[in-house]
Amino acid sequence: QKEVEQNSGPLSVPEGAIASLNCTYSDRGSQSFFWYRQYSGKSPELIMFIYSNGDKEDGRFTAQLNKASQYVSLLIRDSQPSDSATYLCAVRMIYTGTASKLTFGTGTRLQVTL
Amino acid sequence: KAGVTQTPRYLIKTRGQQVTLSCSPISGHRSVSWYQQTPGQGLQFLFEYFSETQRNKGNFPGRFSGRQFSNSRSEMNVSTLELGDSALYLCASSPRTSGSIGTGELFFGEGSRLTVL
Repeated sequence: QKEVEQNSGPLSVPEGAIASLNCTYSDRGSQSFFWYRQYSGKSPELIMFIYSNGDKEDGRFTAQLNKASQYVSLLIRDSQPSDSATYLCAVRMIYTGTASKLTFGTGTRLQVTL
Repeated sequence: KAGVTQTPRYLIKTRGQQVTLSCSPISGHRSVSWYQQTPGQGLQFLFEYFSETQRNKGNFPGRFSGRQFSNSRSEMNVSTLELGDSALYLCASSPRTSGSIGTGELFFGEGSRLTVL
């Protein structure tokens, strides 16, 4: 079982719709969860992170975390063609007071159609 | 504020050679992590450095090594290159401070794309 799993997509949504991106993780000790966006040929850029159960909103983006189900999602409201990219879910484990690691899923490709 | 700077951006090497990649973190960021990105495997963690010490290491062979300098700049080295080492190598910095593990946010550079022939 992969540590962080995402559907590779592509996920196709019409402009103006809500895009829902999902991610599951295997390690219950995971402590914080990140969403990154990566445009083709570019490096990942941080969208937002969440560490408590529930929802966290930032503009058109909402991250949702359910630790009991080991599930984290990202909702994009009013999807725009410029949102077309690969979305990477990342999970952070803290091993000691000085060491941590972010493990990434392989990403979901989102296509927003006109 | 300048972002994470990686050099060189592109390089071509042949099998058996070695390569050194450089990373300058965002000013004030003292933690640097390295990742390898390939189409099949996605982003794979190589190592994390903080205060010139390697804090964590991924599952890569000993041919992959790194270091961090007192100004937080970091280098990674790959010796005896293999065809499978062809990848985008990404450096990321994090606003971690002494006495704190930090929030874990990573800010990536544009990467160094290595092609091994």
